Amino acid sequence: AQSVTQLDSQVPVFEEAPVELRCNYSSSVSVYLFWYVQYPNQGLQLLLKYLSGSTLVESINGFEAEFNKSQTSFHLRKPSVHISDTAEYFCAVNDYKLSFGAGTTVTVRA
Amino acid sequence: NAGVMQNPRHLVRRRGQEARLRCSPMKGHSHVYWYRQLPEEGLKFMVYLQKENIIDESGMPKERFSAEFPKEGPSILRIQQVVRGDSAAYFCASSRRTGEGNTEAFFGQGTRLTVV
Repeated sequence: AQSVTQLDSQVPVFEEAPVELRCNYSSSVSVYLFWYVQYPNQGLQLLLKYLSGSTLVESINGFEAEFNKSQTSFHLRKPSVHISDTAEYFCAVNDYKLSFGAGTTVTVRA
Repeated sequence: NAGVMQNPRHLVRRRGQEARLRCSPMKGHSHVYWYRQLPEEGLKFMVYLQKENIIDESGMPKERFSAEFPKEGPSILRIQQVVRGDSAAYFCASSRRTGEGNTEAFFGQGTRLTVV
């Protein structure tokens, strides 16, 4: 069985400040890990993914996440956020089916 | 290559009516997921389907809800005798399966069901 825990439900942050969204998972088998972003009234968009290889993965808009097998974590980070990063972020785990965490709402303020 | 298409985007039903939600996966994708999202809540897994086969329906309510993904045509999520508590956004996602396992899933824009 697999489960995903996002430790923070709400993260307020000022523009240009760093942000970290925490994600821990449990699974009995090898997994693939994802972060998705959801803007208001839209579907989910893939932000980045870890399938294999380098444990540090990056997205095109400055986010990065690091797979830590020993800590079963896949935390998402961005060194400097923009107002446009305000959204809900979901961590997901896929061994044979895709399961999501409860989501973290990031609100970026000027 | 069109993305995952869901229709309708908005659906209003009276209590007791049936709701049919459609999902056309991306080209080449043979796996479909359905999720339900309520305000202030995360995505709740409902069902995972492959063409003509239900792989996992552990998140589906035992009554009134059913899903199918026929050999031809879209996947359908069907809710019979809707109640107000069924009001939610329903998202479909599709993926393809490789020899290494499932790849990432791509989501549709969702169907927002309102039961009045």
